[in-house]
Amino acid sequence: KNQVEQSPQSLIILEGKNCTLQCNYTVSPFSNLRWYKQDTGRGPVSLTIMTFSENTKSNGRYTATLDADTKQSSLHITASQLSDSASYICVVSATPWGTDKLIFGTGTRLQVFP
Amino acid sequence: NAGVTQTPKFQVLKTGQSMTLQCAQDMNHEYMSWYRQDPGMGLRLIHYSVGAGITDQGEVPNGYNVSRSTTEDFPLRLLSAAPSQTSVYFCASSSGRGAGYTFGSGTRLTVV
Repeated sequence: KNQVEQSPQSLIILEGKNCTLQCNYTVSPFSNLRWYKQDTGRGPVSLTIMTFSENTKSNGRYTATLDADTKQSSLHITASQLSDSASYICVVSATPWGTDKLIFGTGTRLQVFP
Repeated sequence: NAGVTQTPKFQVLKTGQSMTLQCAQDMNHEYMSWYRQDPGMGLRLIHYSVGAGITDQGEVPNGYNVSRSTTEDFPLRLLSAAPSQTSVYFCASSSGRGAGYTFGSGTRLTVV
């Protein structure tokens, strides 16, 4: 069964600190892995997309890593800001036929306090 | 601003009522899809479309209907609302396989 698991479920950090969110997946056939940020009451917004051959990708203070052998990914947030408070969702794409099939994790809820 | 527009933002329905959730995008994306988001669960695919006139079922299609008469619009119809359909609904679009998805801001639906 295709699954995406994220940890921790929730995280509280102080402004300016770094943090790392984890994603483990069992998805076949693997196409790509995406990280999304979802603010409360809003739709998810794409942060990064990584294919099988990419092991790291950055978007400003966000850096995602991918280990396709162990089927793990992480999202590292550097020098956190209050605006980073949101849910972060790991999404793995399987492509058994023409269109992407997205499998969503349940997200990590991050709260950044001053 | 370019993007995906969903209406309404909030809706309360009585059991058995029907309604249509609207979704429009102005990015000329071929691929559009509807998801529902429930507490403690990842987003789940309801229906999707790979182009005008082409639709298909996702993971949880029962109780929902879609059509795609134009590239821009992809409405989701609830045929006879049930309390189990209380959820937040997101429409998303993409230019194709492997491309990024743009999500709308969601419709929060409550069925009483």
